[in-house]
Amino acid sequence: ETGVTQTPRHLVMGMTNKKSLKCEQHLGHNAMYWYKQSAKKPLELMFVYNFKEQTENNSVPSRFSPECPNSSHLFLHLHTLQPEDSALYLCASSQAQREQFFGPGTRLTVL
Amino acid sequence: GQSLEQPSEVTAVEGAIVQINCTYQTSGFYGLSWYQQHDGGAPTFLSYNALDGLEETGRFSSFLSRSDSYGYLLLQELQMKDSASYFCAVRDRPDNQGGKLIFGQGTELSVKP
Repeated sequence: ETGVTQTPRHLVMGMTNKKSLKCEQHLGHNAMYWYKQSAKKPLELMFVYNFKEQTENNSVPSRFSPECPNSSHLFLHLHTLQPEDSALYLCASSQAQREQFFGPGTRLTVL
Repeated sequence: GQSLEQPSEVTAVEGAIVQINCTYQTSGFYGLSWYQQHDGGAPTFLSYNALDGLEETGRFSSFLSRSDSYGYLLLQELQMKDSASYFCAVRDRPDNQGGKLIFGQGTELSVKP
């Protein structure tokens, strides 16, 4: 398998649920990113990891918790979300940080 | 603050040429990129400009003028499959200082027959 993969592709959860989004990159990149994309809005950077170390937390609420166990895997743990958190969550990776490769995204709906 | 401005919508016909502009105001500038995103799909990289001038890749070209804080994406010989959203993005810091991409709100291009 090549590129950046994300699972699940679709997720519906209640506000009291706990779920996790998974991202895996098969490109040998050292940087990984989580973005949130709401309808008709620009991509919002959430977290950046370089060599497994978090280098950016863009004022994201604590109900979103990232985890990067190694340079190929990135998780986003979700807990006590709000309906306004419903969006497309995109993972990306890069090496030279010139070009980012995006996964297909997880379409999240919070009821 | 940091902002990138681009038109929200553009409509053109097949075979035509369309230009999508992007102006930016960022604390730092280390390159302008363009990404394409089809409805329901992932953004895909199109082009990158670090220096002033025109970069050409097939039917797509991208231009940068750092003195004007301005760039554009030029799409030639438009095809129906070019209907998508196009995002400009600026890197605000160098690679070794944790530079990240700041995205514009996207331009929705509709190509008509």
